[in-house]
Order: sequence, then C-alpha cells, then structure tokens
Amino acid sequence: EPEVTQTPSHQVTQMGQEVILRCVPISNHLYFYWYRQILGQKVEFLVSFYNNEISEKSEIFDDQFSVERPDGSNFTLKIRSTKLEDSAMYFCASRLESSGNTIYFGEGSWLTVV
Amino acid sequence: GESVGLHLPTLSVQEGDNSIINCAYSNSASDYFIWYKQESGKGPQFIIDIRSNMDKRQGQRVTVLLNKTVKHLSLQIAATQPGDSAVYFCAERGVYTGTASKLTFGTGTRLQVTL
Repeated sequence: EPEVTQTPSHQVTQMGQEVILRCVPISNHLYFYWYRQILGQKVEFLVSFYNNEISEKSEIFDDQFSVERPDGSNFTLKIRSTKLEDSAMYFCASRLESSGNTIYFGEGSWLTVV
Repeated sequence: GESVGLHLPTLSVQEGDNSIINCAYSNSASDYFIWYKQESGKGPQFIIDIRSNMDKRQGQRVTVLLNKTVKHLSLQIAATQPGDSAVYFCAERGVYTGTASKLTFGTGTRLQVTL
C-alpha cells in the first residue's frame, strides 16, 4: 500500500539552528500538508500546498517556516531559526484530489530543540 | 470560531465489547469528517470518513454516525480487540472550496482495551 514517508524520524537541534524535514508524499497525490503535534496535544494544521504554491497556512506558520517541492517528489518543511517551542512531532500528509479523498499521514518527524 | 472536541479523554473497554467514541463539533458548515487512529509514536491512520449528506457509514468493524442536528459524531468499534488500543481523533473539514482544505482535529480519546 502506498504511503507517505518522512525523514528524519527524530532530530535534535540547538535553538537558533535551521532544520529541514523531508517528506515523500504518495506518488499520484496533488495536495500536500504539514501538521504538527506538540507532545500530548492535538494535531494542528500548519500549511497546505498545491500546484507549487501555498494554498493556506495557519498562524503557527510564520516567517520562520517555509515549504518547498524541489524536485517533483520531495516536499520539505524548513524552520529557519528553531525555538524551544518548535519541539513537536511534524507530520507530512498528502491527498489525491477532489473533495472526497482523505488525507494520508506519514509516520512523523520528531523534532527536539534544545 | 470553529472547534472540534471530544467528550471523554480515556475510554476503557473489555476485549470483545463494543466501543463508542464521541466527538462534538461546532462548525455547522463542515462538510466532511474523518476518524483517525494514532498509536504511540506513529502518525494518524485513517479509519473511516463520512460526508455531511450522510448520517451513517460502515466499514470493517467500525461505524461512524453523524448527527448534524446536535453537531455530534461518533465512532463505534465492534468486538474491540487489544490492537484497537490507541488514541482516536475526529477531524472536520470546512466547506470544500476547491482548494487544499485543511482538517481541524479534536483533542483525542485514548481507548484502552483490557483483557
């Protein structure tokens, strides 16, 4: 069964450092997402991406965050200068198209900022 | 504002019994709802979905019920098994606008299956 894959599974970084989280969405999907989940809390929407541009972003997704689809298969989330409060599990997700298709999530990348 | 919430943070059921997990939502304009299962350290796993023009949908051992009058969603798991132990999230999507619509997640209910 096709799946969304994410790397790394866990990354520890120092505050102020740049981090890039990588995702390979399901191959024929057209919509891509990043969500995050702070430990013990609910999953929160960060950003959606379609047709090589951001469709929607949340208040969390400030100027420190950016997304990119550099080569037609990878979808990356960059945090330019990490803060302690960026520590969370980051989930990449993708969806085929049309109004009914569900969003499939990857296993997540656990980011710890120290 | 919109919100999706769950009534019970933890639900404990015996193996073989049926489980019912509830969810309340406040955005009456939401047109699509999904239940996800999340095991420890893993990503949300799709279980079942339902559109707002339906009130019931069945899958394998799972049923989702939607009551739009009271804005309530439930997930029923038949013959609960130890492998069903996880946190269950409901998620809603606002009216589809043709763009990449986001999901809003509830806070989660932990299902514990006892032997």
